[in-house]
Amino acid sequence: QKEVEQNSGPLSVPEGAIASLNCTYSDRGSQSFFWYRQYSGKSPELIMFIYSNGDKEDGRFTAQLNKASQYVSLLIRDSQPSDSATYLCAVNWDSGTYKYIFGTGTRLKVLA
Amino acid sequence: DADVTQTPRNRITKTGKRIMLECSQTKGHDRMYWYRQDPGLGLRLIYYSFDVKDINKGEISDGYSVSRQAQAKFSLSLESAIPNQTALYFCATSQTADQPQHFGDGTRLSIL
Repeated sequence: QKEVEQNSGPLSVPEGAIASLNCTYSDRGSQSFFWYRQYSGKSPELIMFIYSNGDKEDGRFTAQLNKASQYVSLLIRDSQPSDSATYLCAVNWDSGTYKYIFGTGTRLKVLA
Repeated sequence: DADVTQTPRNRITKTGKRIMLECSQTKGHDRMYWYRQDPGLGLRLIYYSFDVKDINKGEISDGYSVSRQAQAKFSLSLESAIPNQTALYFCATSQTADQPQHFGDGTRLSIL
């Protein structure tokens, strides 16, 4: 089992719709959770981070964390063609052994 | 100017050559990281450093070495390059171990 899993996609949504991206992780000791966006050939850029159970909103983006079920999700409201990219989930824990593990990413296509 | 600068941006070299990739940052972060990214495998941590005297192996350190010359500089070396080290390499920094990471623009390395 991979430590951080994402569906590779592509996930296609029409412009203006809500895109829902999901990520599951295996280690219950995970402490910090991050969503990065990566355009083809470019570097990852941070979208959201979340540390506590529940929802965290920032503009059109909402991160949702459920530690009991070991998943973290990213919702993108009013999706735009410029949101088309690969979204990487990352999970961090540092209890003895430091780990910062990235999922392989979900490719999102927003159709105009 | 970029906060995290990687040089070179592109490099083509031959098997057996020694290669150094350099990373410098102006963010004032103590923590620096080197990743490689391969299609379908995501970002994988090669080495990380929490300060100048603290350097640690990541999940795929074999065939690589690093040097932390100063708080702002972290170099990655391939002592004797081999074709399966062809990849996109990223340097990143963070303020603390559980904070978001900030990435450089990457180095595309091809080993023939």
